[in-house]
Amino acid sequence: NAGVMQNPRHLVRRRGQEARLRCSPMKGHSHVYWYRQLPEEGLKFMVYLQKENIIDESGMPKERFSAEFPKEGPSILRIQQVVRGDSAAYFCASSLTSFVDTQYFGPGTRLTVL
Amino acid sequence: GENVEQHPSTLSVQEGDSAVIKCTYSDSASNYFPWYKQELGKGPQLIIDIRSNVGEKKDQRIAVTLNKTAKHFSLHITETQPEDSAVYFCAASRGYGGATNKLIFGTGTLLAVQP
Repeated sequence: NAGVMQNPRHLVRRRGQEARLRCSPMKGHSHVYWYRQLPEEGLKFMVYLQKENIIDESGMPKERFSAEFPKEGPSILRIQQVVRGDSAAYFCASSLTSFVDTQYFGPGTRLTVL
Repeated sequence: GENVEQHPSTLSVQEGDSAVIKCTYSDSASNYFPWYKQELGKGPQLIIDIRSNVGEKKDQRIAVTLNKTAKHFSLHITETQPEDSAVYFCAASRGYGGATNKLIFGTGTLLAVQP
């Protein structure tokens, strides 16, 4: 009964490189959410996806960030040309439905930008 | 905009005492209120949640109360144990079908249970 899986758990990038974060939802879940947690802060919503669709990206920075959830495979959060301010923990959550449903979180990917 | 305020930011109690964490939300359309526990280096873990048609919910030593009129909800932990030490986050969501189910989180409460 695997939970939400994220990889890598830790990612180090130099300024200007690209970061790709992967999330595999719980079995049977087709709704994925990405949240960012800056050091010593709470979690901030970034984007909500269903298979092949972005439902709500109101929390995504306008530039350099993108997300996808293809028909097959994990959801990907991509950060292009990373800057030091992107250093944070990125959490993925999944839910069974979109209607007042529990979101289960993965262990997170901790991104460090040098 | 949507906002959830959480108090206190830190809370220290003696083992066996009770702990109470309070949250206030701004979006009157919110109807789902989960609480998460986050241990160092780990992802948030759901400990209890409440929906807007219920005023109180209890699960062993943990209880949550909701006052929709005041837009206020609280987490109560009784008979605290050292393993309860963690950061606790409240959250609120509209969560209606066909639209976003994003969670708006509070800023967290660091709970320390002293043996």
